[in-house]
Formats: sequence, structure tokens, C-alpha cells
Amino acid sequence: AAGVIQSPRHLIKEKRETATLKCYPIPRHDTVYWYQQGPGQDPQFLISFYEKMQSDKGSIPDRFSAQQFSDYHSELNMSSLELGDSALYFCASSNPGQLLNTEAFFGQGTRLTVV
Amino acid sequence: AQTVTQSQPEMSVQEAETVTLSCTYDTSESDYYLFWYKQPPSRQMILVIRQEAYKQQNATENRFSVNFQKAAKSFSLKISDSQLGDAAMYFCAYRSRDGTSYDKVIFGPGTSLSVIP
Repeated sequence: AAGVIQSPRHLIKEKRETATLKCYPIPRHDTVYWYQQGPGQDPQFLISFYEKMQSDKGSIPDRFSAQQFSDYHSELNMSSLELGDSALYFCASSNPGQLLNTEAFFGQGTRLTVV
Repeated sequence: AQTVTQSQPEMSVQEAETVTLSCTYDTSESDYYLFWYKQPPSRQMILVIRQEAYKQQNATENRFSVNFQKAAKSFSLKISDSQLGDAAMYFCAYRSRDGTSYDKVIFGPGTSLSVIP
């Protein structure tokens, strides 16, 4: 079965640079969630989208922005990168319309290293 | 706002033995989902087991079972016949259940489980 695809899997950027992370949800999933997981920490919710509209917002820095496109994939744009942005970034997707929609399905994550 | 607490930062278990990981949560909602996720060194987030709050019966998945106490807001995970591959970080998680189901998954701080050969 198709899963949530994230690209790239690994990314190395220098301070003050910009990074773009992409997420391709499971087919027919119209809701996407972004999480940030720092070393030794639990995943922290950043932002979510439903039908291309922002549905919820968590602890996302103002330097970050995200959007969901017409094909439901999503991109997380990160500018003026700081060392503290080094983390694993997860994307998850779900489909509220599904009868047994109990869970969000997670991608394998993008490991961002800022040097 | 909902919160999830895991009071055991680290646990260890002998191979083939049984271990129980604790989780408590706080919510004012009556209907929701609870999950246990496993995160091995690869850091892939793997769903281990889920529980719907409206179901009184505890969920079971092979060697994994939960003890769901709704009134006490407690949701523990029992791993039987522990295997070396069970070594991982385990996250307890909460998700609201409403008509829209947009809701995010809220994670606890995690419990690092070691399995001793």
C-alpha cells in the first residue's frame, strides 16, 4: 500500500539559508500535518492543512511557512535557518471522510541538519 | 488543551519477559483515540496499537495489549514475550474524535525501552 512520501530524506543547510521540505500524502488523503522532532524529544505539532486550507497551527516559527497544493501535497518552507532548527521533520496524512479514520499515517521524515 | 504524560523516561526488560509502559492523559472530551507509537533507531514512527475511547474492551495486537482506564485517564501498554526488536522509544499519543477529524496527534514525552538479552 502507498505510504506518505517525504523528500528529501536528508538535508544539510548552512545557517541563514532556506530549506523546502515536501510531503506527498497517501492517495485520497486530504489532510496533512507537519511535526518537528528535536533530538531526544517528542514530535511537536507545527501546522496542518485540510483541503488546501490551514486547519490548525501549533508552535511553528514565523520563519516557517507551509501550504497544501491542489494535488494535496504539502511543502514546508523554512527561511533564515538556525542551528536549533536541526531536527527530524515528520509529515502525516489522514482522510476525515474515511469511515475508519482513526489515525494519521506518518512518513519516514526528513532529517534537517543546519551547520 | 489535551496533554499526555509518560512518567517513565527509561525502562528495561529481560528478553522474553513482560513489561508495562505507563501513560496518563488529560482531556475534557468524552470521545477520542489513544495510540502507542514505536520509534526505533531508524526514527520511523510506527503505530503499535490503537484504542477508541468509546470501546470498553482493551485493544490487543499480538504481543501488545493495553489497559485502558477511562475514568482514571490511564492508558498503559503491556508487551509480552519481549524481543530484542522491541527496543525503541515508545510514545503514547492522543487524538480527538469529532465530526471533522482534522485533529492532530498529541504525543507524550516518550519512554525509551531497552531489551536485555
